Amino acid sequence: GESVGLHLPTLSVQEGDNSIINCAYSNSASDYFIWYKQESGKGPQFIIDIRSNMDKRQGQRVTVLLNKTVKHLSLQIAATQPGDSAVYFCADARGGGSNYKLTFGKGTLLTVNP
Amino acid sequence: EPEVTQTPSHQVTQMGQEVILRCVPISNHLYFYWYRQILGQKVEFLVSFYNNEISEKSEIFDDQFSVERPDGSNFTLKIRSTKLEDSAMYFCASRKQNSPLHFGNGTRLTVT
Repeated sequence: GESVGLHLPTLSVQEGDNSIINCAYSNSASDYFIWYKQESGKGPQFIIDIRSNMDKRQGQRVTVLLNKTVKHLSLQIAATQPGDSAVYFCADARGGGSNYKLTFGKGTLLTVNP
Repeated sequence: EPEVTQTPSHQVTQMGQEVILRCVPISNHLYFYWYRQILGQKVEFLVSFYNNEISEKSEIFDDQFSVERPDGSNFTLKIRSTKLEDSAMYFCASRKQNSPLHFGNGTRLTVT
């Protein structure tokens, strides 16, 4: 029968490998992006953010790259661990104060094989 | 670390019934939000709330939905007459000025 619902892009990696998760956006006016991690049964959890005046930002084991020319950002996870298995969303954050609003992308399911 | 807490974790209701989903945002946060995630789909904005009034709402947030901050700690989402298509995970989130959103772990609403 016909399947219903969206199928998430998936990425399967071996423990210890590096992971790269990609996200494209369409609005040239977007200037602040956030990556969220969502583990099964939990809410989205903030990982790292980046503003459009930067093209790279590093955190602990994670790096976000922003290419404004092609409207693309990526999340790189170094030495991926089983605990990194989750759905990863990029989000476009706009406005400030009471007008702040997040718009999420579709998400990528990352599976880390031990 | 302070957390956004949501209750109940799972709510089952019959079509046409009213439900109230409850949230306790982080205590020093000023801005409050509800998001929805239908199974297998992306997280969608419903409504934002600040200074005891709605700041913005999406087209999903129709007259059947309402939000309230009845006291200094709780933030509720009410659905007056639930429909089957309201079945989803509902996430509450809060933030303070110049900070990212912090999400709760959600309430799974099942409408039968």
